[in-house]
Amino acid sequence: GQNIDQPTEMTATEGAIVQINCTYQTSGFNGLFWYQQHAGEAPTFLSYNVLDGLEEKGRFSSFLSRSKGYSYLLLKELQMKDSASYLCAVLDSNYQLIWGAGTKLIIKP
Amino acid sequence: ETGVTQTPRHLVMGMTNKKSLKCEQHLGHNAMYWYKQSAKKPLELMFVYNFKEQTENNSVPSRFSPECPNSSHLFLHLHTLQPEDSALYLCASSQGLGNRNQPQHFGDGTRLSIL
Repeated sequence: GQNIDQPTEMTATEGAIVQINCTYQTSGFNGLFWYQQHAGEAPTFLSYNVLDGLEEKGRFSSFLSRSKGYSYLLLKELQMKDSASYLCAVLDSNYQLIWGAGTKLIIKP
Repeated sequence: ETGVTQTPRHLVMGMTNKKSLKCEQHLGHNAMYWYKQSAKKPLELMFVYNFKEQTENNSVPSRFSPECPNSSHLFLHLHTLQPEDSALYLCASSQGLGNRNQPQHFGDGTRLSIL
């Protein structure tokens, strides 16, 4: 079967750095998405990786290793507004999006 | 503002009621999706429409009935729901199924509670 694993919950301190991991086992791979979802709001697109390596976008970076079936989202200089759930999703060989259950990130002052 | 608007935001209904969820996108996208989001579970894809034609139905019970009159509007008609159907229902749109690496844009969802 197809599976996406990410931690259920993480806690970090304002101003610090946090890394949210995502591992996947899917039938084929056509890219990996990260979304941010604040409580009661829409998931919003953060990043898309299809090639190995690190993509940086301001305070957020996303890394992919296809050979390891692994990605992470790195958040720097954490702010209170970064408290949200972070969803990992993989496009399989049929271009179906396989979703993880999300990681709830709690930022403490 | 994501460009995808869902109404109502909250809905409480009895198991014998009939209600409809509405989704409208202002992004000029061709594909629209219904998802179910339950606490601590992955998003469950329910239905996919591409250019108003339904392309996927992921074994969804018939008490959920989608309707897509045009590329900008999507409805989910609800009838005789069960308590386990209580969840957040999210609508999304994207540029097209041919370019599946295009991100989906989501609405804020309808929080549905079945009494």
